[in-house]
Amino acid sequence: AQSVTQPDIHITVSEGASLELRCNYSYGATPYLFWYVQSPGQGLQLLLKYFSGDTLVQGIKGFEAEFKRSQSSFNLRKPSVHWSDAAEYFCAVVPIKAAGNKLTFGGGTRVLVKP
Amino acid sequence: GAGVSQSPSNKVTEKGKDVELRCDPISGHTALYWYRQSLGQGLEFLIYFQGNSAPDKSGLPSDRFSAERTGGSVSTLTIQRTQQEDSAVYLCASSKDRGGVYGYTFGSGTRLTVV
Repeated sequence: AQSVTQPDIHITVSEGASLELRCNYSYGATPYLFWYVQSPGQGLQLLLKYFSGDTLVQGIKGFEAEFKRSQSSFNLRKPSVHWSDAAEYFCAVVPIKAAGNKLTFGGGTRVLVKP
Repeated sequence: GAGVSQSPSNKVTEKGKDVELRCDPISGHTALYWYRQSLGQGLEFLIYFQGNSAPDKSGLPSDRFSAERTGGSVSTLTIQRTQQEDSAVYLCASSKDRGGVYGYTFGSGTRLTVV
């Protein structure tokens, strides 16, 4: 079945430390891939997206993600976390040829930042 | 407008009453989506509108849920005879195109509480 999985429900990281959030997908063909962030009480903000080409994608707020076809993964990284990065992060996919092209989200990873 | 606008931001209703949630997408965005975000269920697709095409209603959880989009712009999500399990945050998103190439812009959501 087609799915998007974020294995980590919660991650706690110290301010200044690096962060990596995992995302795996299961689709017949490589879909469009997205990472969104949701701060408390806020809507979803697009961090970055991947369609094709360079497998390392740069986004806003110092985030980057790497697409690995062989692992069906699209992991999100940040070298040095700031307290304002505490939020919930969602990986999402759009199957390229699916009717409606609707976003399907992973379950989300909540990031807590320790001082 | 500059972003996707949703109203009301919060709604408390009694079980059994009908509610209407409004979404005003970004001007010129042809695609409009409704999602529901509830504890333990993540982000769940409800319905998708693209231009003048018939909407994709495949995510609506029951026939108590319906949505319309007037003039290719504003959309209203209606929930009839609300139940406590309908309590959630309802998110609207719009996109320039059906392929999601430009990403989806989300509103801040309507928090619905059924008491």
